[in-house]
Amino acid sequence: EIVLTQSPGTLSLSPGERATLSCRASQSVSSSYLAWYQQKPGQAPRLLIYGASSRATGIPDRFSGSGSGTDFTLTISRLEPEDFAVYYCQQYGSSGTFGQGTKVEIK
Amino acid sequence: EVQLVESGGVVVQPGGSLRLSCAASGFTFDDYTMHWVRQAPGKGLEWVSLISWDGGSTYYADSVKGRFTISRDNSKNSLYLQMNSLRTEDTALYYCAKDGGNSGVYWYFDLWGRGTLVTVSS
Repeated sequence: EIVLTQSPGTLSLSPGERATLSCRASQSVSSSYLAWYQQKPGQAPRLLIYGASSRATGIPDRFSGSGSGTDFTLTISRLEPEDFAVYYCQQYGSSGTFGQGTKVEIK
Repeated sequence: EVQLVESGGVVVQPGGSLRLSCAASGFTFDDYTMHWVRQAPGKGLEWVSLISWDGGSTYYADSVKGRFTISRDNSKNSLYLQMNSLRTEDTALYYCAKDGGNSGVYWYFDLWGRGTLVTVSS
């Protein structure tokens, strides 16, 4: 089973700042089958990125994904108030396992 | 409106059984693989099970294999999860989720329901 490790556990930033979230896999993720989700309190997760870098329908372009192999990054170019949430990465090259999440909180 | 609505979550004793349902609307249900994903209170996400568009293929996480059964009724645009021999560690919010690919299994999720809470406790 591929284990995903997200860092940092918590990211404290101010609106307008840039957020960089990391997701590292225990082995190579085939064909960059990596997705990112956003989850706000009391809500279901929302798909942001799939295929490591493709934005899902309706996702603002301040969200971008990059990486390949074992190292992937989600970047939020300028944080908006509604972006403070928990973010999960998920690999789907070998079944579907999630990282433990990164919380982006207001500083 | 494109949506998934789960139901059936209750408090059940260890060893008990429960059937969850998910009603789909706003998209062609029988074009897509469907999944169940769960989230224990205050914890992360765990994929549970999937079923192919025609019900011909099913897969389960090791943690539920032999105890849970996924099924679907395309005539009713509905997905189900039969949960037997429940354990306290099965306590979670159970989400119904639509596979992100069109035909086939892509194993990422582009539409989620709001979830239904299953509590296993004596």
